[in-house]
Amino acid sequence: DTAVSQTPKYLVTQMGNDKSIKCEQNLGHDTMYWYKQDSKKFLKIMFSYNNKELIINETVPNRFSPKSPDKAHLNLHINSLELGDSAVYFCASSQLAGVGEQFFGPGTRLTVL
Amino acid sequence: GESVGLHLPTLSVQEGDNSIINCAYSNSASDYFIWYKQESGKGPQFIIDIRSNMDKRQGQRVTVLLNKTVKHLSLQIAATQPGDSAVYFCAEVNTGNQFYFGTGTSLTVIP
Repeated sequence: DTAVSQTPKYLVTQMGNDKSIKCEQNLGHDTMYWYKQDSKKFLKIMFSYNNKELIINETVPNRFSPKSPDKAHLNLHINSLELGDSAVYFCASSQLAGVGEQFFGPGTRLTVL
Repeated sequence: GESVGLHLPTLSVQEGDNSIINCAYSNSASDYFIWYKQESGKGPQFIIDIRSNMDKRQGQRVTVLLNKTVKHLSLQIAATQPGDSAVYFCAEVNTGNQFYFGTGTSLTVIP
């Protein structure tokens, strides 16, 4: 069973489009995260949700909107995609916020043309 | 802002040798540190963590050392194996539960 899953794995789209990435964890964790990894492998946290409540919102354009319908899901919607949004997006989860092991998903490679 | 940096962007070691990956952090208030391993095409994987009230923690073939005086963190891998080839990240977590990752060190194990 996959602990943290993301769909799609690859996403190629045109500038200006709106797209969503879905994430699900079956670990029963309370906290979920979204990270962005650029072409130089730099990994930056974007959002963190604890029990469906937003607890971390780093300096991210408001074109990015996370949504957590329940604590097992954290989806990322991106409006008006820009070239600079091209990156690999990772979802992760942990039992507690900010402490202990984080389990990462396989990543979604977003390419904006 | 926070700054977590690595001293060496790449590291090559012979199979069987020990590896040391270093990391410098800037926020003296950070109280929790984590090392991650990321293999090609995969998400980061937790290796080991350490709290600021400790200076050493050991796992299976890995040891993390924390020197708060100079704000330095290291990951030691004993008897490095080809499967250890990956990018290694350190991360610091401050009291606001905010994570900051370093840029990564690419470890290559030479058979």
